[in-house]
Amino acid sequence: DAGITQSPRYKITETGRQVTLMCHQTWSHSYMFWYRQDLGHGLRLIYYSAAADITDKGEVPDGYVVSRSKTENFPLTLESATRSQTSVYFCASSETGRDGGYTFGSGTRLTVV
Amino acid sequence: AQSVTQPDIHITVSEGASLELRCNYSYGATPYLFWYVQSPGQGLQLLLKYFSGDTLVQGIKGFEAEFKRSQSSFNLRKPSVHWSDAAEYFCAVITGGGNKLTFGTGTQLKVEL
Repeated sequence: DAGITQSPRYKITETGRQVTLMCHQTWSHSYMFWYRQDLGHGLRLIYYSAAADITDKGEVPDGYVVSRSKTENFPLTLESATRSQTSVYFCASSETGRDGGYTFGSGTRLTVV
Repeated sequence: AQSVTQPDIHITVSEGASLELRCNYSYGATPYLFWYVQSPGQGLQLLLKYFSGDTLVQGIKGFEAEFKRSQSSFNLRKPSVHWSDAAEYFCAVITGGGNKLTFGTGTQLKVEL
């Protein structure tokens, strides 16, 4: 089915471990985004990508790494997970970026213990 | 830097009553403005957007929003709330030549039957 899918839906990891969250979209949208959602902060942009092999930092990039070797995939890696990275992570895609018509995935709830 | 403020963290309304959710932005020029809704455990869905033109915009699910430049506001309204409208609502903005959404902290809507 067409859409944007995130995996896993839930993840528990230990402090210091590396963990990768996956995001896949089937529309060939140029833009893809990673947000984290925390109580009292709304959604904050971690990284975004305007096209394959083009990525840029958002508001809260520290501790995260992204790559985009293919248009449809935009994985987010926590190099050494910390408890402050416990959050719900949302991936989104957009054809143009400016029209605001982002399509969001269902989210990954990550707990770092 | 642009910011989006949603002054109300929680709002409770009775089913059938009218609703207004507040959103204020800080930006010199006219931003691109959006309202999203998030149901529990779900991603975000676009309700409506404003770029230019008519300052009253209609969205999905019977929602509308009015852009008021003089007040730097973009409040979301619905004449008669249904129990299924209970969710979290986010105002968001894209400014200048950007292509990234900046979100407010959200308003949690509770509907009393």
